[in-house]
Amino acid sequence: QQPVQSPQAVILREGEDAVINCSSSKALYSVHWYRQKHGEAPVFLMILLKGGEQKGHEKISASFNEKKQQSSLYLTASQLSYSGTYFCGTDHTGTASKLTFGTGTRLQVTL
Amino acid sequence: AAGVIQSPRHLIKEKRETATLKCYPIPRHDTVYWYQQGPGQDPQFLISFYEKMQSDKGSIPDRFSAQQFSDYHSELNMSSLELGDSALYFCASRSQGITEAFFGQGTRLTVV
Repeated sequence: QQPVQSPQAVILREGEDAVINCSSSKALYSVHWYRQKHGEAPVFLMILLKGGEQKGHEKISASFNEKKQQSSLYLTASQLSYSGTYFCGTDHTGTASKLTFGTGTRLQVTL
Repeated sequence: AAGVIQSPRHLIKEKRETATLKCYPIPRHDTVYWYQQGPGQDPQFLISFYEKMQSDKGSIPDRFSAQQFSDYHSELNMSSLELGDSALYFCASRSQGITEAFFGQGTRLTVV
């Protein structure tokens, strides 16, 4: 089953914060976050592993709630370069032999 | 640093023709994924390989087949092409373990 992301789209002014959620109906072993700009390849942001801690670097961080089968991506003090579509990729096998991408969240940061 | 190489970058085919897409993973990466992304859609998982063996399969039509060769490059073969096959096809590779997957720039297939 495909994970569901929310919101579907969000518009921010530069400097504002955003939270993107990823929910799965199946148990998760790891969650992989990617950002994709139009017509380009998805670019890796971070991985969260089952039993792992919240991760982050600079102004982008993420959490993983195993019990709720959810992950959230936190973008703080957004920059214009953050614009793009964010996808979570979920691994239900424990081996990442298959990453199922979520429905995507389109983020637009404006001046 | 070496990245995932896909060829060709663009391909135009007519209905019912065949197409072969190639993917050259990052050296020492043993896992390859194939994804199909339609306009405005999320990437749909097609198939993956680990150490030259198919490891998982998604929504890949029977008209499509793929394999990974001894040098770890992979090919996606698509036959009896349909208009609906027009999409961006991505290949990604990663090394052993739960590590990040690196995506190639994709092959844009247009079926006319």
